[in-house]
Amino acid sequence: GESVGLHLPTLSVQEGDNSIINCAYSNSASDYFIWYKQESGKGPQFIIDIRSNMDKRQGQRVTVLLNKTVKHLSLQIAATQPGDSAVYFCAETDFGNEKLTFGTGTRLTIIP
Amino acid sequence: DTGVSQDPRHKITKRGQNVTFRCDPISEHNRLYWYRQTLGQGPEFLTYFQNEAQLEKSRLLSDRFSAERPKGSFSTLEIQRTEQGDSAMYLCASSLVTGGDETQYFGPGTRLLVL
Repeated sequence: GESVGLHLPTLSVQEGDNSIINCAYSNSASDYFIWYKQESGKGPQFIIDIRSNMDKRQGQRVTVLLNKTVKHLSLQIAATQPGDSAVYFCAETDFGNEKLTFGTGTRLTIIP
Repeated sequence: DTGVSQDPRHKITKRGQNVTFRCDPISEHNRLYWYRQTLGQGPEFLTYFQNEAQLEKSRLLSDRFSAERPKGSFSTLEIQRTEQGDSAMYLCASSLVTGGDETQYFGPGTRLLVL
């Protein structure tokens, strides 16, 4: 389920199932997008990225989808494992603008 | 470990004291970034360096904050006269900007608590 306000949106998924995490980005000029995974007490870990000239990119067990029309980004994780439990952030930037702008984050919990 | 390293990992200080954090980027990465992250939020950009030059500073970086990268390798972030609102995780990231690769790799962060 999801919670709003001061709490991170949350998503609970049964181990082995697929998960989809969504992100609405803010800047229509953004042309580079990244998903990061952050475990408790650690820094963000790069997962996968995509440029605006693509609408889909696949990695190992992960797929990122980009819909520029509605400024929406999603991360699909296949066959989830307990180690996938973390907070996931999308980040955006535009070429020549080096700073990343992060979204709110989604807490993913994998249920054994 | 050849990733980004930060020191210290944790810092507790009293309000009004000065603190300094260090970041060692991935070897040969020419860009280094500082971000701040408060509980439940995503990281917020503070500043970044291209080699030793500080090229951009966020409005979040008040005059109590200063960052340096004197030799284009490690960087320090100093906060003077700390306030309770400075309590946060301070993250460092680095990237090698050649051939269009802009991926920023983050360190483990320094968690600051101002009492």
